[in-house]
Amino acid sequence: QQPVQSPQAVILREGEDAVINCSSSKALYSVHWYRQKHGEAPVFLMILLKGGEQKGHEKISASFNEKKQQSSLYLTASQLSYSGTYFCGTVGQAGTALIFGKGTTLSVSS
Amino acid sequence: EAQVTQNPRYLITVTGKKLTVTCSQNMNHEYMSWYRQDPGLGLRQIYYSMNVEVTDKGDVPEGYKVSRKEKRNFPLILESPSPNQTSLYFCASSSRLNTEAFFGQGTRLTVV
Repeated sequence: QQPVQSPQAVILREGEDAVINCSSSKALYSVHWYRQKHGEAPVFLMILLKGGEQKGHEKISASFNEKKQQSSLYLTASQLSYSGTYFCGTVGQAGTALIFGKGTTLSVSS
Repeated sequence: EAQVTQNPRYLITVTGKKLTVTCSQNMNHEYMSWYRQDPGLGLRQIYYSMNVEVTDKGDVPEGYKVSRKEKRNFPLILESPSPNQTSLYFCASSSRLNTEAFFGQGTRLTVV
């Protein structure tokens, strides 16, 4: 079952902050975040694992609430290059598959 | 250069004509998967393979087959394509499930 992302779309001006949320109805082992620019392939941002381990880019900030099966991606002081569609993906506790949500489109203007 | 290579990038075909989309990775990754991307639906997993010996269905496997005869290759086979399989397809690979995934550049398939 696909995780649910919110909001569906965000419009920002450069320098503003945004939070993208991801929630699942099942117990999770990990949450993955990817960004896709128009016409390109998705690119890895971060993985958050049960127990607190994180793997990813230093400039990206995210949280994972294991009890609530929720994750949030924090985009601070946004830049034009942040524009794109953000996908969260989840892996269940005994999961073998990475299931992505429908995406959140972020538009940053100057 | 580490990469996932899909071919072809674009394909227009007719209903019922069997086709194969190839996917190859040069990173010695164990885990490979196929996704389709449709507007408003996000990335939906078609099939995944944890290693050469284990392949399983994702969320939308109907109408698709895959093969993992060797670690580097994971082709997607549409034996009788239909118009509802018109989509953008991505192949992805990672060393294991919970590690960074690398995506191919995508294959835009149109079935008429």
